[in-house]
Amino acid sequence: DIVMTQTPLSSPVTLGQPASISCRSSQSLVHSDGNIYLSWLQQRPGQPPRLLIYKISNRFAGVPDRFSGSGAGTDFTLKISRVEAEDVGVYYCMQATQFPWTFGQGTKVEIK
Amino acid sequence: QVRLVQSGAEVKKPGSSVSVSCKTSGAMFDTYSISWVRQAPGHGLEWVGGIITLSGTPKYAQKFQGRATITADESTYTTNMDLSGLTSEDTAVYYCARQWAGIVYWGQGTLVTVTS
Repeated sequence: DIVMTQTPLSSPVTLGQPASISCRSSQSLVHSDGNIYLSWLQQRPGQPPRLLIYKISNRFAGVPDRFSGSGAGTDFTLKISRVEAEDVGVYYCMQATQFPWTFGQGTKVEIK
Repeated sequence: QVRLVQSGAEVKKPGSSVSVSCKTSGAMFDTYSISWVRQAPGHGLEWVGGIITLSGTPKYAQKFQGRATITADESTYTTNMDLSGLTSEDTAVYYCARQWAGIVYWGQGTLVTVTS
């Protein structure tokens, strides 16, 4: 199974300041079709996961442009350019390149 | 707009089985894969199993082999997950998810509580 490792696990951030979360996969996420199915999810308390970014860097519909994804190989990053109060929650990276889908441990973003 | 709507919350006794359904509405052509993911209280996301729709053969995480059964009917965009031999450790929110063109759509979740 592909292991997804996130850092940090907790990220206290000042409103208006940037935040960055890293995710490393234990092996390549390149699918046989050439795509890399690496996504970022946001989960607010009591809510289902919400897709933010898919295929490394594509923002899903309705996601604010302060969220961006990047990466290559086995290293990926989610950046929030200016954290807002509504961004509080847990963020997960996940790979859907192969079964089993696997997830990072989650990074809790909170306001200082 | 794609929506995945799951069946309602369940309360089950240890040793029993549960069935959770998930129906997709909105445009959804050529879904690549369907998965079920669960989240125990205070924990992260855990893959239960899934189906690559073209092959139709379900795959399961090792810990759910023999206990989970996932089916999909693409003529009705419905997927079901059955889980047998329930214990208190199966208390969790269960999510269905569909992957299409790299986008993973999520259901709203179904709380399954196992209690005597």
